[in-house]
Amino acid sequence: KQEVTQIPAALSVPEGENLVLNCSFTDSAIYNLQWFRQDPGKGLTSLLLIQSSQREQTSGRLNASLDKSSGRSTLYIAASQPGDSATYLCAVGQGGSEKLVFGKGTKLTVNP
Amino acid sequence: DGGITQSPKYLFRKEGQNVTLSCEQNLNHDAMYWYRQDPGQGLRLIYYSQIVNDFQKGDIAEGYSVSREKKESFPLTVTSAQKNPTAFYLCASSARPLGGEKLFFGSGTQLSVL
Repeated sequence: KQEVTQIPAALSVPEGENLVLNCSFTDSAIYNLQWFRQDPGKGLTSLLLIQSSQREQTSGRLNASLDKSSGRSTLYIAASQPGDSATYLCAVGQGGSEKLVFGKGTKLTVNP
Repeated sequence: DGGITQSPKYLFRKEGQNVTLSCEQNLNHDAMYWYRQDPGQGLRLIYYSQIVNDFQKGDIAEGYSVSREKKESFPLTVTSAQKNPTAFYLCASSARPLGGEKLFFGSGTQLSVL
């Protein structure tokens, strides 16, 4: 059974700092991995989607990497801003399955 | 603007009552999903639909029902059989059934029990 873990559960950093969020999964036979952002009381917004054949994806100040063999993904946020404060979730897609398995998220606070 | 609309934003259920959560999308997506989110837990899949007039149970379908009579609509009914319905419910869609597709979410419905 696939399990997705995100550590730490919460992270607080000063504005301008570069930071890394971690996501690990137990079964390396994944189809893809997505990173989402969720603001309080809101739905999820897809940030980056990495296919199993890819090593990384970039969008603006965000860079996500994927290492299937070690069961890990990281989300790198450059030059963090207070507007980046949110909960970040990762989810893995299994081949042949409709189900995404979600981590519990990392709550990020960027302090001005 | 294209997107997914969930209504209502807040919903209260009385004991023994069935309630229906609305989800409408104008993205022309084939696949639609319902997830439940509880504090401190990851999202869990309730039901999904790959195409009109077809839907499948997810991990926690007991106490819930759905229909997919139109491509753009995927309502979720929380029945009285669901004994712990208080949660944040999220509807999502993807262009095609999962297999490399981005997932788009609505803004959610918070359901509480009176």
